[in-house]
Amino acid sequence: EAGVVQSPRYKIIEKKQPVAFWCNPISGHNTLYWYRQNLGQGPELLIRYENEEAVDDSQLPKDRFSAERLKGVDSTLKIQPAELGDSAVYLCASSNRGRAKNIQYFGAGTRLSVL
Amino acid sequence: LAKTTQPISMDSYEGQEVNITCSHNNIATNDYITWYQQFPSQGPRFIIQGYKTKVTNEVASLFIPADRKSSTLSLPRVSLSDTAVYYCLVGDPNSGGYQKVTFGTGTKLQVIP
Repeated sequence: EAGVVQSPRYKIIEKKQPVAFWCNPISGHNTLYWYRQNLGQGPELLIRYENEEAVDDSQLPKDRFSAERLKGVDSTLKIQPAELGDSAVYLCASSNRGRAKNIQYFGAGTRLSVL
Repeated sequence: LAKTTQPISMDSYEGQEVNITCSHNNIATNDYITWYQQFPSQGPRFIIQGYKTKVTNEVASLFIPADRKSSTLSLPRVSLSDTAVYYCLVGDPNSGGYQKVTFGTGTKLQVIP
């Protein structure tokens, strides 16, 4: 079974530029999460989807961040415009609430550097 | 939502048993305790989950006392490859209870040869 796939693995951009991250969750997982992880810190939840519905986006900086999950499968997270403080690792995870006590499976993440 | 407290770091020699304790004083009745492991440049990986007493799998054991206000992750005979950050999470998996849970800073385990 394929795991959670994220792309790109690394991204370097200049401030004020837009950037997008893509996530393909594990097949059949109805819940999808985007996290941001700063150096030396644990992951912080940005948004959670149940199928195609964003059920918790309270931590998402909505002035510059947006996300979508079309057809309840793949998801993209976008930042526009990027700021220096957005440099971090962006992690995607998926889970199946109906099975295995909602254990989250994470992708390898996208490391963003904003110059 | 239950807040968790863990030691920031621990050192251990290879071959020793390592116990990492997590405090969660306001754990709710329906909450489960879940531990994740994270290596550098990787996403967290599920290790073990439990509700009460003891759970054991091929990787670790999880000890939960009767009051459930704390839990202990036990790694038997650690090797250098167990060097990682370990996170303790508490939430109700049947209600999407992880939605506002942060992983905290976790416990950075350094295994020494």
